Amino acid sequence: SQQGEEDPQALSIQEGENATMNCSYKTSINNLQWYRQNSGRGLVHLILIRSNEREKHSGRLRVTLDTSKKSSSLLITASRAADTASYFCAPVETSGSRLTFGEGTQLTVNP
Amino acid sequence: GAGVSQSPSNKVTEKGKDVELRCDPISGHTALYWYRQSLGQGLEFLIYFQGNSAPDKSGLPSDRFSAERTGGSVSTLTIQRTQQEDSAVYLCASSLVSGQPQHFGDGTRLSIL
Repeated sequence: SQQGEEDPQALSIQEGENATMNCSYKTSINNLQWYRQNSGRGLVHLILIRSNEREKHSGRLRVTLDTSKKSSSLLITASRAADTASYFCAPVETSGSRLTFGEGTQLTVNP
Repeated sequence: GAGVSQSPSNKVTEKGKDVELRCDPISGHTALYWYRQSLGQGLEFLIYFQGNSAPDKSGLPSDRFSAERTGGSVSTLTIQRTQQEDSAVYLCASSLVSGQPQHFGDGTRLSIL
């Protein structure tokens, strides 16, 4: 399996601003998933984008996938203080089952 | 419906003792996963179950770690002769089938004194 590498490691913005997080990976994927983790809690699945999709939206979330560059981005629009959390990407290989996570992006949204 | 449930939520034990961590997955989920997360780190994969069998146990760090799953449901992660480096949050997740979104419990915070 392969690990997604999130960038930046930390991001601090003001409420109402947009937040963009990036993910890079190394080999072919079936899909790529984004998760959020609030402090002291388990991970929560946000969105799954398949390898044949280029963009996907869910509420204030927008995910893009560029398989030629082996990268994905997560955009959170009109951020809120409640969006403060760590965000992880997980590339899933064609024959994959487990998820392998990087160290995530720690997003802080200041009120 | 109920999510993934883990117990205990916190466990403090002395070095050298054995511990058992329990995971109740979402009903009907065939795939179950265990992960470990050390302070400020990402998640480290430990083991994956499909039904009651474990096709991928490559993440178990040593032979002190074992896990089983019975009835295609509850899973137990056992750590024998605990060491201080075993201190971490142990997270369990389940998914309907492998490769699909995983649903996580809130973890067991294990502290070895």
